[in-house]
Amino acid sequence: NAGVTQTPKFQVLKTGQSMTLQCAQDMNHNSMYWYRQDPGMGLRLIYYSASEGTTDKGEVPNGYNVSRLNKREFSLRLESAAPSQTSVYFCASRGTAQSHGYTFGSGTRLTVV
Amino acid sequence: KQEVTQIPAALSVPEGENLVLNCSFTDSAIYNLQWFRQDPGKGLTSLLLIQSSQREQTSGRLNASLDKSSGRSTLYIAASQPGDSATYLCAVWSENNNDMRFGAGTRLTVKP
Repeated sequence: NAGVTQTPKFQVLKTGQSMTLQCAQDMNHNSMYWYRQDPGMGLRLIYYSASEGTTDKGEVPNGYNVSRLNKREFSLRLESAAPSQTSVYFCASRGTAQSHGYTFGSGTRLTVV
Repeated sequence: KQEVTQIPAALSVPEGENLVLNCSFTDSAIYNLQWFRQDPGKGLTSLLLIQSSQREQTSGRLNASLDKSSGRSTLYIAASQPGDSATYLCAVWSENNNDMRFGAGTRLTVKP
């Protein structure tokens, strides 16, 4: 089925550990996004990639890095996890036309202890 | 900076009632507006997308309207059902942004 695939679905990390969240889309979308969702804070943009080879910071980029590996894949890396990064992470993609909206992945629930 | 507000934050209605969810945005220079549904512990499912040149979109019991000049959109749910219970979010793609800006959502409970 066409869509956005995120892995893993769940992860528990110890403070200071690193990990990479993977995201892939098969809709030939140019733009891809990483959001975090926290209770009472809504969805906040971490990083986005408007096209292959480009990445830009969003509202809350500190503590994260991203890589747009190719047009399909956009990964999010936590170099040294902190408890404040406990959250649900969503990847989304979008085409360039005005008729295109976001398609979201199913999310990664990350707990940092 | 585009700001998106959803009112009310929570809504509880008896089954069968028609209801309206509201979304307002501060910058009317938009490309489109999208309504999503999110069930507890799940991802976001797209319900309807309205382009800036459109006034409304319909899907089954859902109807979304857009008044760009006043910065408002409504999501109308007809004959609500307990299965409609979820959080509904609106998101706006502005001409001045590369990303979509989200409201905080309306948590809907439909009681049997």
